[in-house]
Amino acid sequence: AQSVSQHNHHVILSEAASLELGCNYSYGGTVNLFWYVQYPGQHLQLLLKYFSGDPLVKGIKGFEAEFIKSKFSFNLRKPSVQWSDTAEYFCAVNVLSGTYKYIFGTGTRLKVLA
Amino acid sequence: ETGVTQSPTHLIKTRGQQVTLRCSSQSGHNTVSWYQQALGQGPQFIFQYYREEENGRGNFPPRFSGLQFPNYSSELNVNALELDDSALYLCASSFQRGQGGYTFGSGTRLTVV
Repeated sequence: AQSVSQHNHHVILSEAASLELGCNYSYGGTVNLFWYVQYPGQHLQLLLKYFSGDPLVKGIKGFEAEFIKSKFSFNLRKPSVQWSDTAEYFCAVNVLSGTYKYIFGTGTRLKVLA
Repeated sequence: ETGVTQSPTHLIKTRGQQVTLRCSSQSGHNTVSWYQQALGQGPQFIFQYYREEENGRGNFPPRFSGLQFPNYSSELNVNALELDDSALYLCASSFQRGQGGYTFGSGTRLTVV
């Protein structure tokens, strides 16, 4: 069965620290890849997405992610986090067949200390 | 452009009851998907509607059912509520079955007691 794994469930960083959140998926076919962020009390918002082309994608708020096909990975990075980045981050895979449903990871809760 | 709106925002129901959740999709979107997000978990796919037809279903029992209307708004119905149905229910809309990504609503928090 298709699945998405996010290895870090809770991450605590100080402001200006660098961030990398891991995401691995299991599916051998074509996928689109997404990172969503959920700020406390708010809805899921799209950070960035990968469909094809350059495997390094840039999103909003200084986030970027790299797709490594051989490793089935799509890790999220930010060089310098801010207190306002405190949120929960979800990796999602869109399997490109039939329903185009999303398969989400369990999420990573990030806390940035001021 | 308007986003995805869901109603109600919060709901408390008793075990065994039935509930209907509503979703208005973003303007121009013809696809709606519903997800269940239990506490501490990622959203789980329930089903998708595309042009008023069910277009795929996740691993949820038949007591979870839905509708999509000609204006592409949607309902999620859950019969015979169980305690484990307590969760945040998310509606997401897209164009053409979600290939390009979804816009999510803020969700309905359902508590079953």
